[in-house]
Amino acid sequence: NAGVTQTPKFQVLKTGQSMTLQCAQDMNHNSMYWYRQDPGMGLRLIYYSASEGTTDKGEVPNGYNVSRLNKREFSLRLESAAPSQTSVYFCASSGGRVSYEQYFGPGTRLTVT
Amino acid sequence: AQSVTQPDIHITVSEGASLELRCNYSYGATPYLFWYVQSPGQGLQLLLKYFSGDTLVQGIKGFEAEFKRSQSSFNLRKPSVHWSDAAEYFCAVALHGNKLVFGAGTILRVKS
Repeated sequence: NAGVTQTPKFQVLKTGQSMTLQCAQDMNHNSMYWYRQDPGMGLRLIYYSASEGTTDKGEVPNGYNVSRLNKREFSLRLESAAPSQTSVYFCASSGGRVSYEQYFGPGTRLTVT
Repeated sequence: AQSVTQPDIHITVSEGASLELRCNYSYGATPYLFWYVQSPGQGLQLLLKYFSGDTLVQGIKGFEAEFKRSQSSFNLRKPSVHWSDAAEYFCAVALHGNKLVFGAGTILRVKS
């Protein structure tokens, strides 16, 4: 099992460019999440998907969109990147035997110049 | 609103010394509580969790945590720290709907 995988690992964008961060899990989990991590602020939830076909906003959704493509995949899109979106982005999934336990991907380090 | 506070941004301990990382939460009901560890450049790994029952829980890598309802705390401890424990540690509380709220993290440095 690969667990939770994320692509790309690193990305540099110019202000106004768009991109999609990809996430996939092979644990047959129902729920998936996107977080951003900024120094001194812990992880903040951007969007989550409780099950295939549903998505909901988290704490900091502005400037982002998501798609739950199928049970395995959950993508995060930045339509018009801004320097404030420079961050490390983590995808996570949950819904195994212990549904509150979340498993994290390795992260994507995004810099917007 | 629910929140998680980790009062210490940085902690430095000597190798072989004991460790305690503090976590306080604000939540109306009995929460589900977690500690995660993040090594540099890596994702988060679950160290341990508390759902119910025995308030002292054991985790991986020799860590343990104690839930104290009266103090709204869930402090992480280790009797003897190893250099490889240097990392950032996050406390988290689970809300309904399977969402987690994280503390800001504590960076642990280990002196040799």
